[in-house]
Amino acid sequence: AQSVTQLDSQVPVFEEAPVELRCNYSSSVSVYLFWYVQYPNQGLQLLLKYLSGSTLVKGINGFEAEFNKSQTSFHLRKPSVHISDTAEYFCAVSETGGGADGLTFGKGTHLIIQP
Amino acid sequence: GAVVSQHPSRVICKSGTSVKIECRSLDFQATTMFWYRQFPKQSLMLMATSNEGSKATYEQGVEKDKFLINHASLTLSTLTVTSAHPEDSSFYICSARLGDMRIHFGPGTRLTVT
Repeated sequence: AQSVTQLDSQVPVFEEAPVELRCNYSSSVSVYLFWYVQYPNQGLQLLLKYLSGSTLVKGINGFEAEFNKSQTSFHLRKPSVHISDTAEYFCAVSETGGGADGLTFGKGTHLIIQP
Repeated sequence: GAVVSQHPSRVICKSGTSVKIECRSLDFQATTMFWYRQFPKQSLMLMATSNEGSKATYEQGVEKDKFLINHASLTLSTLTVTSAHPEDSSFYICSARLGDMRIHFGPGTRLTVT
C-alpha cells in the first residue's frame, strides 16, 4: 500500500517570496503523483500531476513540482507567492494505472501568506 | 472542462435521521466515482469506490450499512448516511473518473448532525 507524507503542516511565507511545500511518498510500485489546492469550505482543485515523462511538471497559478524517484519526493514550488495562494495544499498518490482505486492523500500543508 | 457537482452543498439534520448526498458528473460519463470524507483540518480519507451498475467497494473500517452508496447511472452516484449521529458530521467530497488519471472533484457537502 502507498502512503504520502507532507512534512510541514503549516508554512508561513511573506508575499512575493518563493515557497516549497514538501511531499514524500512510499510505494513498492510506480506511482502517479498529484498536488491539489483547497480553499476554505471548497472542494479540491488540481494544480498539477505527474504521470510519466519529464520529471519537472508545470501546473496552474505558477506552481511547479519535480518528481525525484530516488528520493521518493514530489515537492511543490512557486517562485513568488501572492496573498491569494493562502490555502491548504494536498499531495496525493495513485498506484494503479488509470486511477481506478482512488487517491491516497497526505495530511495537507496550510500555506499562509504574510503581507 | 469536466465538472462535478454535489447536492446539497451543506445540510443540517437531526440525530437518527438519514441524509442523501448526490454527486453528478455534468458533462461527461464517469465509470467510477469515489467518496471521501474530510474532518476539520485533516486530510481526505477514501471511503468507497463505486462503479456504475455494481456494488460499491468500501475501504477498511467504513461501515457499508451506514454509508449506502448507489451508482445508478454513469453521471450520478449517491451517498446516504443512515441514522446519522453527531460523529458523522464531516465534509464529504466525491470525485469522478473521466479516464486514465483524469479525476475531477466535486465541491463537497458539509454535513452537520445535531
